[in-house]
Amino acid sequence: RKEVEQDPGPFNVPEGATVAFNCTYSNSASQSFFWYRQDCRKEPKLLMSVYSSGNEDGRFTAQLNRASQYISLLIRDSKLSDSATYLCVVNDQAGTALIFGKGTTLSVSS
Amino acid sequence: DTAVSQTPKYLVTQMGNDKSIKCEQNLGHDTMYWYKQDSKKFLKIMFSYNNKELIINETVPNRFSPKSPDKAHLNLHINSLELGDSAVYFCASSQEGGLTEAFFGQGTRLTVV
Repeated sequence: RKEVEQDPGPFNVPEGATVAFNCTYSNSASQSFFWYRQDCRKEPKLLMSVYSSGNEDGRFTAQLNRASQYISLLIRDSKLSDSATYLCVVNDQAGTALIFGKGTTLSVSS
Repeated sequence: DTAVSQTPKYLVTQMGNDKSIKCEQNLGHDTMYWYKQDSKKFLKIMFSYNNKELIINETVPNRFSPKSPDKAHLNLHINSLELGDSAVYFCASSQEGGLTEAFFGQGTRLTVV
């Protein structure tokens, strides 16, 4: 079983749409969870951390379900500038590194 | 002032050559990493160093040798380059290993011809 799994997409949505990405992870002892964003030919950048109680940052909402080992990212009112690859990230078993999913590609069109 | 900087940004070289990529972070972080992103865009960890000590060494050919002269620098030397080494190599750092977010350098796009 892969450590972090995501639907690769692509998700093609119109501006203003709401879109949700899901991610599952295999290490039940993981403690740190993040969503990163990567634009074409750029480095990954932190979008938001994911907390147990769920958290929101503007149009972005992240949820964590430890029992199901599942993380989600909800983007409301999609903008053209949201087009990117979204990477689900979890710490490894030893807590010494971050393990990245393969990413979900989002394309927002006008 | 760039937090994690790596050089060069682009590297084109012939098979069999030896090359190095340098990385420096000015964030005061304890942990530094090398990740490889292949043509399928999968970002895979190669090495992790904590305070100059090697913590993680994933299944990477021993032609790849990281070196950390101090905790702010982590360089990657690659011997006898092969076509399959072509990828984007990202350096990153974090304050506390895998427990805190990582900050990435801009990447080095290596092309072996």
